[in-house]
Amino acid sequence: NAGVTQTPKFQVLKTGQSMTLQCAQDMNHNSMYWYRQDPGMGLRLIYYSASEGTTDKGEVPNGYNVSRLNKREFSLRLESAAPSQTSVYFCASSEEGFRDQPQHFGDGTRLSIL
Amino acid sequence: QKEVEQDPGPLSVPEGAIVSLNCTYSNSAFQYFMWYRQYSRKGPELLMYTYSSGNKEDGRFTAQVDKSSKYISLFIRDSQPSDSATYLCAMSAQNTDKLIFGTGTRLQVFP
Repeated sequence: NAGVTQTPKFQVLKTGQSMTLQCAQDMNHNSMYWYRQDPGMGLRLIYYSASEGTTDKGEVPNGYNVSRLNKREFSLRLESAAPSQTSVYFCASSEEGFRDQPQHFGDGTRLSIL
Repeated sequence: QKEVEQDPGPLSVPEGAIVSLNCTYSNSAFQYFMWYRQYSRKGPELLMYTYSSGNKEDGRFTAQVDKSSKYISLFIRDSQPSDSATYLCAMSAQNTDKLIFGTGTRLQVFP
């Protein structure tokens, strides 16, 4: 039972490089999310997709773009990486919406920007 | 001031102890309250979910919500070393697309 799968698990980038973080879920969930987790800051929402074909900004969207490729996949792109984007990135999914549906998380991508 | 406040710990207790983890919040519109457990180098997993006020029990875990005090708690009875993890509270309001997480409390249960 895979749940939410994130790739890669680790990545080191140089400032200015670009990369895409991949996320796929096999639970037939409608909603998907990207968070970043930093010490002392907790989980902060970057972007979310309430359903296939829609995306919306979260709390900290600057410097990121997303694509909801299909119902299963939701990718996060850093166009020009900056050291401030060093973080652990989590993808999550839920049946629908935020309020009363549990979010299922992947195991994260640890990203370092030098 | 953060919308959700949570003591980061670490909280270190002996095996078998009763553990109390807490969060305070400022937004009176919050109605959905959750506790997630996060093991090291893993993603958070939902532990408990409560709607509005009251208590909810699941095995060794009890979640309490006191909306009048804007305070939620998670109690762990007969704590085990396998309970050692970071516990995150999370909450949201009706008709909103936001789930606000606390920063997490790190719990260590030693044998």
